[in-house]
Amino acid sequence: EAGVTQFPSHSVIEKGQTVTLRCDPISGHDNLYWYRRVMGKEIKFLLHFVKESKQDESGMPNNRFLAERTGGTYSTLKVQPAELEDSGVYFCASSQGTMYNEQFFGPGTRLTVL
Amino acid sequence: AQSVAQPEDQVNVAEGNPLTVKCTYSVSGNPYLFWYVQYPNRGLQFLLKYITGDNLVKGSYGFEAEFNKSQTSFHLKKPSALVSDSALYFCAVRDKAGGFKTIFGAGTRLFVKA
Repeated sequence: EAGVTQFPSHSVIEKGQTVTLRCDPISGHDNLYWYRRVMGKEIKFLLHFVKESKQDESGMPNNRFLAERTGGTYSTLKVQPAELEDSGVYFCASSQGTMYNEQFFGPGTRLTVL
Repeated sequence: AQSVAQPEDQVNVAEGNPLTVKCTYSVSGNPYLFWYVQYPNRGLQFLLKYITGDNLVKGSYGFEAEFNKSQTSFHLKKPSALVSDSALYFCAVRDKAGGFKTIFGAGTRLFVKA
């Protein structure tokens, strides 16, 4: 069974540009999450999808961030326009069933905004 | 507000010795608690979780963790460390009343010396 995949693995962009990150969860997992880790700090929750619906987007930093999950399969996270403080590693995770089930994480996308 | 504290940035232990990685948490309700491990260039991998019941939970690779409600702690332990245990360890919590949002600590890097 394939795990959670993320694309790209690295992205370097200039301030003001747009970047779109993609996540493909494990097939059949209804729950999909986005997280961000700034160097050395905690992994911060961004949002949670159940199928195609946003259940909790309380962690999204501001309206420069837009997440979608069309058709309830893969998800994209767009940052537009990117700012320096958006740099970090963006993780995607998926899970099935209840809230006490563990999450399966992708390898992350390292975003550097110059 | 929910939070997780991992007070040690790094833990050093000799191979064969017991190891402990500390975690304390703060939630308004009852917690679900998790430990994840991250190896270089990989996503986080689930190790173990506490849902309810026995305060001592056993997980993958010989790891265990003890839930202590009075001290709001969930320390990760292993009786005999291996060099291959060297990695970054994250403690995480969900509030049972708070939905799927997961709060992570900043991580503790474990170095096991041969």
